[in-house]
Amino acid sequence: EDKVVQSPLSLVVHEGDTVTLNCSYEVTNFRSLLWYKQEKKAPTFLFMLTSSGIEKKSGRLSSILDKKELFSILNITATQTGDSAIYLCAPEGNAGNMLTFGGGTRLMVKP
Amino acid sequence: DTAVSQTPKYLVTQMGNDKSIKCEQNLGHDTMYWYKQDSKKFLKIMFSYNNKELIINETVPNRFSPKSPDKAHLNLHINSLELGDSAVYFCASTPGSGQKNTIYFGEGSWLTVV
Repeated sequence: EDKVVQSPLSLVVHEGDTVTLNCSYEVTNFRSLLWYKQEKKAPTFLFMLTSSGIEKKSGRLSSILDKKELFSILNITATQTGDSAIYLCAPEGNAGNMLTFGGGTRLMVKP
Repeated sequence: DTAVSQTPKYLVTQMGNDKSIKCEQNLGHDTMYWYKQDSKKFLKIMFSYNNKELIINETVPNRFSPKSPDKAHLNLHINSLELGDSAVYFCASTPGSGQKNTIYFGEGSWLTVV
């Protein structure tokens, strides 16, 4: 059975701090790993990672994948209150585009 | 225009009832999905469906059934609702299976069984 573990489960920081969110996975026929941000409604897409060691960046967010050690990290620098959300990682494996979601990391950024 | 739309957004119903949640996507995507997100925020795949293949997560009770009248629609029908079915149900779609694509989610349907 595919398995995804995210850590920490929750995190409280102050604006300006840097955070690192972790995702370890075990999936059959790994294709890619996706990161999502979920606020009040549906998850919104952040990154898709397919190759090890290549950092993807979008503003203050960046992510990297290690396919040998089966993990990914999501970094957020200079956090803002608007970064408060649940961050979900989802490796894609098995048939088609089936995604297995981790339980998420709840990030709260205080002013 | 909303890419993936679900109705109803909120649904409160009694145990034992049968209910449906509708989903439509206007993206021209080939593959649609239903996910369930429970109170602990675990987002779990329930079904993956395109016009060729239905893939069912074996942990999903057979009270749940997907119904697809056409490529743009994948409705979720639930028989004999139970308290544990209370959750947020997300519909989603991707351009196709076997491709490295992002997934587009609907805004969710909040189901409460009382």
